[in-house]
Amino acid sequence: GAGVSQSPSNKVTEKGKDVELRCDPISGHTALYWYRQRLGQGLEFLIYFQGNSAPDKSGLPSDRFSAERTGESVSTLTIQRTQQEDSAVYLCASSPVVRAGNTIYFGEGSWLTVV
Amino acid sequence: QKEVEQDPGPLSVPEGAIVSLNCTYSNSAFQYFMWYRQYSRKGPELLMYTYSSGNKEDGRFTAQVDKSSKYISLFIRDSQPSDSATYLCAMSAQVNSGAGSYQLTFGKGTKLSVIP
Repeated sequence: GAGVSQSPSNKVTEKGKDVELRCDPISGHTALYWYRQRLGQGLEFLIYFQGNSAPDKSGLPSDRFSAERTGESVSTLTIQRTQQEDSAVYLCASSPVVRAGNTIYFGEGSWLTVV
Repeated sequence: QKEVEQDPGPLSVPEGAIVSLNCTYSNSAFQYFMWYRQYSRKGPELLMYTYSSGNKEDGRFTAQVDKSSKYISLFIRDSQPSDSATYLCAMSAQVNSGAGSYQLTFGKGTKLSVIP
């Protein structure tokens, strides 16, 4: 597709339930990122995938959070046993392999509300 | 001290005004500097990208980087109501050569309103 695609765009879930968020990166982009943005806050790095390299999981806030990516395509972010503080917009981004800079392109986000 | 500091605003200006948005940072290794614009309930979109110190101009937008002061700015000339959005600065210390991009560090964003 033309841009980064995320689904669902909105999700309301009950506390304690698991949720899965999906990201389709721009075709040909090898790098994929997940960020979290809480209301009125900046973007918080969660995880980074680059090709077949081991992902950088250093931003995942707890072991309830996990993410997978199949090759250079779709990624899924899973939040287990959701808590109210998980309410945020989860942004996926992708970028091509570049040598002169590292601009990334964001999707519209998945807006998660835990009630 | 946070790595990137950005005044959250809100900033309200009349249409046609010159807008100045700024970020300061502490990590002297940052080399790549970006400004993203985020409309309400949308993902951030890349607005300007600069490498190292200097100025870059694109239409009504000018990005400035002063690495000696660890200070970056975005200027918007002849501001329009359509410029009303949150502006996020972002920066990166390196490109992981041969393996593509690496994570960016973002400011919290400045919310701008341009009043007609």
